[in-house]
Amino acid sequence: EAQVTQNPRYLITVTGKKLTVTCSQNMNHEYMSWYRQDPGLGLRQIYYSMNVEVTDKGDVPEGYKVSRKEKRNFPLILESPSPNQTSLYFCASSSTGAGNYGYTFGSGTRLTVV
Amino acid sequence: AQKVTQAQTEISVVEKEDVTLDCVYETRDTTYYLFWYKQPPSGELVFLIRRNSFDEQNEISGRYSWNFQKSTSSFNFTITASQVVDSAVYFCALGAPNQGAQKLVFGQGTRLTINP
Repeated sequence: EAQVTQNPRYLITVTGKKLTVTCSQNMNHEYMSWYRQDPGLGLRQIYYSMNVEVTDKGDVPEGYKVSRKEKRNFPLILESPSPNQTSLYFCASSSTGAGNYGYTFGSGTRLTVV
Repeated sequence: AQKVTQAQTEISVVEKEDVTLDCVYETRDTTYYLFWYKQPPSGELVFLIRRNSFDEQNEISGRYSWNFQKSTSSFNFTITASQVVDSAVYFCALGAPNQGAQKLVFGQGTRLTINP
């Protein structure tokens, strides 16, 4: 089944403790992206990647890092999480550009930072 | 800059009523794409429709229909004879390849509750 897989689905952590949210897609898509969803703000793009080793900032990149060492994986790294990063996170992938065809989204990761 | 506005934060209707979700967008691009996604209570994002800026024909899919009007920069979504299973948060989104192929700009979302 074609899908984007994120792990974990739920995570509660403490301020300052580094964490990684994994994302993997099995569709051989070139483009991948991370979004966060907050009430009243919709979804906002954190980072995106157009191919292996090619990443760039989205609208809200502060406090996050990403890497794209393999085509299928696009982990999101929070080096020192803070409470304002409590949010619902989505990983997404697209074959030819989300601006044209939209994204296929993962199931989401609900992160709570206390 | 691109922007999507969904002015209706929450809508609540009784089952079998028709309901329209509004979406207004802003872009300077002549080529762009509009999307609707559904987020049911389980949390995932489900793709509903994609429409390009050169195709203003309305689309109907079962009980769902979409009205695209470039003159008013709107892409509204109507559910006919609503059902409880339609309860979800609905997002409208805008993509413009010339603005960066990876970007979808989302509206704030409309929470739709269908009461039995």
